[in-house]
Amino acid sequence: GQQVMQIPQYQHVQEGEDFTTYCNSSTTLSNIQWYKQRPGGHPVFLIQLVKSGEVKKQKRLTFQFGEAKKNSSLHITATQTTDVGTYFCAGPLRGSQGNLIFGKGTKLSVKP
Amino acid sequence: DSGVTQTPKHLITATGQRVTLRCSPRSGDLSVYWYQQSLDQGLQFLIQYYNGEERAKGNILERFSAQQFPDLHSELNLSSLELGDSALYFCASSAGGGPGGELFFGEGSRLTVL
Repeated sequence: GQQVMQIPQYQHVQEGEDFTTYCNSSTTLSNIQWYKQRPGGHPVFLIQLVKSGEVKKQKRLTFQFGEAKKNSSLHITATQTTDVGTYFCAGPLRGSQGNLIFGKGTKLSVKP
Repeated sequence: DSGVTQTPKHLITATGQRVTLRCSPRSGDLSVYWYQQSLDQGLQFLIQYYNGEERAKGNILERFSAQQFPDLHSELNLSSLELGDSALYFCASSAGGGPGGELFFGEGSRLTVL
């Protein structure tokens, strides 16, 4: 069945270091979304990418959608303690309407 | 604040019991989704309703059922509870029923089955 995989599962960084999480889909996606879930919180939408090769930036966060629209990445430059949380990618669930299939997420911890 | 309201926030019950989780979507949103998140697990899609009708089913157990009412709020019913049903249950809403829409998540209902 359709799968969305994320690596790494966990990442521990020192504050100020960069961080990247990768998302790979078993199928071509029409779009990909990224969500952040703070510890004890709920997922919050960060961004949606639609075009092949698209790159979007939000301050220190850079999101990329692969040329083949099967992979994506989120890169955080100079992490801060406020970046702590789990980052999920999600793509449309094939054969459904409006449903998303989520990756298992990358849990980021930042040591001050 | 996402605008999605879930109650109760916490629920502790015993095996074999039945509980109902409630969700009020953002004003104007027609789609409601239910997700289950177990410890260190991702978000498992359970079921989606759109404007009162079931739109899609995911990995929802037969012991679980849901509905969306005319005022668009939704309830997730979990019965014959087992220890493994302990999880965080999220409701999310979106404006439309098609793909590509941002989901707005509620704060979740944490269910503990003892």
